[in-house]
Amino acid sequence: AQTVTQSQPEMSVQEAETVTLSCTYDTSESDYYLFWYKQPPSRQMILVIRQEAYKQQNATENRFSVNFQKAAKSFSLKISDSQLGDAAMYFCAYRLDDKIIFGKGTRLHILP
Amino acid sequence: EPEVTQTPSHQVTQMGQEVILRCVPISNHLYFYWYRQILGQKVEFLVSFYNNEISEKSEIFDDQFSVERPDGSNFTLKIRSTKLEDSAMYFCASTWVSGNTIYFGEGSWLTVV
Repeated sequence: AQTVTQSQPEMSVQEAETVTLSCTYDTSESDYYLFWYKQPPSRQMILVIRQEAYKQQNATENRFSVNFQKAAKSFSLKISDSQLGDAAMYFCAYRLDDKIIFGKGTRLHILP
Repeated sequence: EPEVTQTPSHQVTQMGQEVILRCVPISNHLYFYWYRQILGQKVEFLVSFYNNEISEKSEIFDDQFSVERPDGSNFTLKIRSTKLEDSAMYFCASTWVSGNTIYFGEGSWLTVV
């Protein structure tokens, strides 16, 4: 069964600093998709970044980048130059076919 | 930018009552989903819907739940006889093709009292 594990329930980072959120997953498939979603206090689910497993190059989206290690089944999110608006719950997610499986989330606090 | 829209944003209902949550997916999308998030917990898959039928469902999606796309634009989730434990945020989502990014609505917060 596919699982997604986020081992850090909460993290804090100073404004303008860099933070890395960890995610590991378990699958026997070779072709799948990985995502990071952000959930601010409004509880909306906002896509941050997406990675296709067949692509070796790590995805980047402005201040957000991932470190995708397929053999290790690791998919961490790096946020550079953290801003107050980055404060939210971050969910790592794995997609195979018609289903997305989410991790339990990491609550990120930004310290001014 | 196209959005997935959901109504109502918040509904309070008595235990045992029927509830219908409505969603308008992005217009050219073909795959539709419902997820739920109990307060403080992770987002859980309920059901996926393609070509006017359920393509996959989780064990949470039991006989009290049903989905339909009555008019080609709305996608609804019905809970027949609500229980206290159905209190959660329900997210509708859609995507154009399987494997593509799934876009979520803003959620419908259901409180069962």
